[in-house]
Amino acid sequence: DGGITQSPKYLFRKEGQNVTLSCEQNLNHDAMYWYRQDPGQGLRLIYYSQIVNDFQKGDIAEGYSVSREKKESFPLTVTSAQKNPTAFYLCASSITAVSNQPQHFGDGTRLSIL
Amino acid sequence: DAKTTQPNSMESNEEEPVHLPCNHSTISGTDYIHWYRQLPSQGPEYVIHGLTSNVNNRMASLAIAEDRKSSTLILHRATLRDAAVYYCILRVTTSGTYKYIFGTGTRLKVLA
Repeated sequence: DGGITQSPKYLFRKEGQNVTLSCEQNLNHDAMYWYRQDPGQGLRLIYYSQIVNDFQKGDIAEGYSVSREKKESFPLTVTSAQKNPTAFYLCASSITAVSNQPQHFGDGTRLSIL
Repeated sequence: DAKTTQPNSMESNEEEPVHLPCNHSTISGTDYIHWYRQLPSQGPEYVIHGLTSNVNNRMASLAIAEDRKSSTLILHRATLRDAAVYYCILRVTTSGTYKYIFGTGTRLKVLA
């Protein structure tokens, strides 16, 4: 079935360590997104990519980095510069970034600090 | 900046209709209203969206006020599987692309 796969489901990070969250989609969508969700809160946009080899900062990009080398993949790295990384991270995709089609979400990665 | 305001929680009895309200008084003419719902530890699921006219699909109906400053998501017969957090979202235009502005959502409890 087509969809978005995020891995791992749970991830633990030590202080000062970078970690990478995986997001893969087989929907043939051009646009992909990363969101952060804190307890009891809505989602906030970290980065988005309209097309391969292109990405833009969202509202809370500091301490994060991304790459978009393949259409299907949009990994997110949480760097040591992100001082409060504990959160639920969600990846999404849409046909394009300029269409009115809905975004499709993965089931998230929960990141915790050891 | 555009934002949405929703009640923190609502309750409904099973098999009764549910009306989930949303205020978006700062909405602009090109902002679409989207609704998603989210179960614990899962990603949000698309429910419905609209611009000016009321919309219906197999999951729900969306009623948009004439001045577009508020909208209501209508679940015609609530089931236990409809218990979730419902987000009213504005899809706004930024630098030529669209992005979602999420609120904090309404937690819907469905009573058997």
